Amino acid sequence: AQSVTQLGSHVSVSEGALVLLRCNYSSSVPPYLFWYVQYPNQGLQLLLKYTTGATLVKGINGFEAEFKKSETSFHLTKPSAHMSDAAEYFCAVSRASKIIFGSGTRLSIRP
Amino acid sequence: GAVVSQHPSWVICKSGTSVKIECRSLDFQATTMFWYRQFPKQSLMLMATSNEGSKATYEQGVEKDKFLINHASLTLSTLTVTSAHPEDSSFYICSAAAGTSNSYEQYFGPGTRLTVT
Repeated sequence: AQSVTQLGSHVSVSEGALVLLRCNYSSSVPPYLFWYVQYPNQGLQLLLKYTTGATLVKGINGFEAEFKKSETSFHLTKPSAHMSDAAEYFCAVSRASKIIFGSGTRLSIRP
Repeated sequence: GAVVSQHPSWVICKSGTSVKIECRSLDFQATTMFWYRQFPKQSLMLMATSNEGSKATYEQGVEKDKFLINHASLTLSTLTVTSAHPEDSSFYICSAAAGTSNSYEQYFGPGTRLTVT
């Protein structure tokens, strides 16, 4: 069964600091991987996705993620945090049309 | 492109009544739609998958008679919560997939907040 594990339910960084949100996946076959962001009382917005090809994926709002098969990881990073990045972030894996979400990481930004 | 809407955005109903939530793909045809449920500070849990013109496939533990799903057209799916109870209060989110070639990508609606009193 495919799943994703997000390490850290809450991450707090200072404005301008590096953002690193961790995600590990388990899959017996090459997965499709996603990062979504959710602002309070809103739906999900796709940040980026990995399907095939280049392992470094660039997304919206300055975020990027690197697919590392050897580490079964798909960590999300952003070089410099903005206050507007405060939100809930979900890593997800897809197979056979279904998307399985991780438990989510709440990102807080300190002024 | 790929916009999904939900209506209503929030609803309050009394215990024992039924509530219908609509999910529409506005600028594409959705062969498959998905319904998720999200409790406060938790992740999204897939409730069911619906294909246009077919019966929905429910995930284990989801009561099909309580959560009625209809996918009558390629742009509309509805979720009806029947005989709602306070424990059904939650955030319900739908998503739509455009076709088999891109079936791994889903476009999400803004969600519907249901409160049952």
